[in-house]
Amino acid sequence: QKEVEQNSGPLSVPEGAIASLNCTYSDRGSQSFFWYRQYSGKSPELIMFIYSNGDKEDGRFTAQLNKASQYVSLLIRDSQPSDSATYLCAVPQGAGGTSYGKLTFGQGTILTVHP
Amino acid sequence: GAVVSQHPSRVICKSGTSVKIECRSLDFQATTMFWYRQFPKQSLMLMATSNEGSKATYEQGVEKDKFLINHASLTLSTLTVTSAHPEDSSFYICSAISLAGGTYEQYFGPGTRLTVT
Repeated sequence: QKEVEQNSGPLSVPEGAIASLNCTYSDRGSQSFFWYRQYSGKSPELIMFIYSNGDKEDGRFTAQLNKASQYVSLLIRDSQPSDSATYLCAVPQGAGGTSYGKLTFGQGTILTVHP
Repeated sequence: GAVVSQHPSRVICKSGTSVKIECRSLDFQATTMFWYRQFPKQSLMLMATSNEGSKATYEQGVEKDKFLINHASLTLSTLTVTSAHPEDSSFYICSAISLAGGTYEQYFGPGTRLTVT
């Protein structure tokens, strides 16, 4: 059973700061990694996915993957109050993470951005 | 983009009754859909994989006779919670895979909040 671990937080940052969210995973064979944002009472929405070691940037979001350390992170630059949500790290199940759609989620990190 | 809908969005039922939740892919065909469950202040847990035209596959610890899944068409999967109990109260979320242009994308429905009294 794959495990995905996140700091549950809560993480509180001031508006305009960088929020750093971290995730570790147990299966060294995992190939792809997803970050979801979930507002209270809503279903998760995909923010970023990353397959390759290194950084991947999309607007204010940067995902960082280090397969040797089995570590994936999400940086949110210029944090806004609207970024306040729970952020979920997810890894596909199956050997090499090939079971698309069957995701193992971390427990989520609650982020609060205060004005 | 692709849309997945769920109906109802909220349902309250009495203990011992059954509740059906629908998951529809609105503008794409989905041979495979997934059902997740999220208890308060917990993360999403995969319950089962719904396969069009065949039996669903359930994750370990999920009772297949209690959570009946029917994937009757390429755009509809239903989850029926039979003989519901208060401990079944949860947020049920479905997802569907779109394989467009050789790449896959997963779309989550908006979820169904089930409360069993």
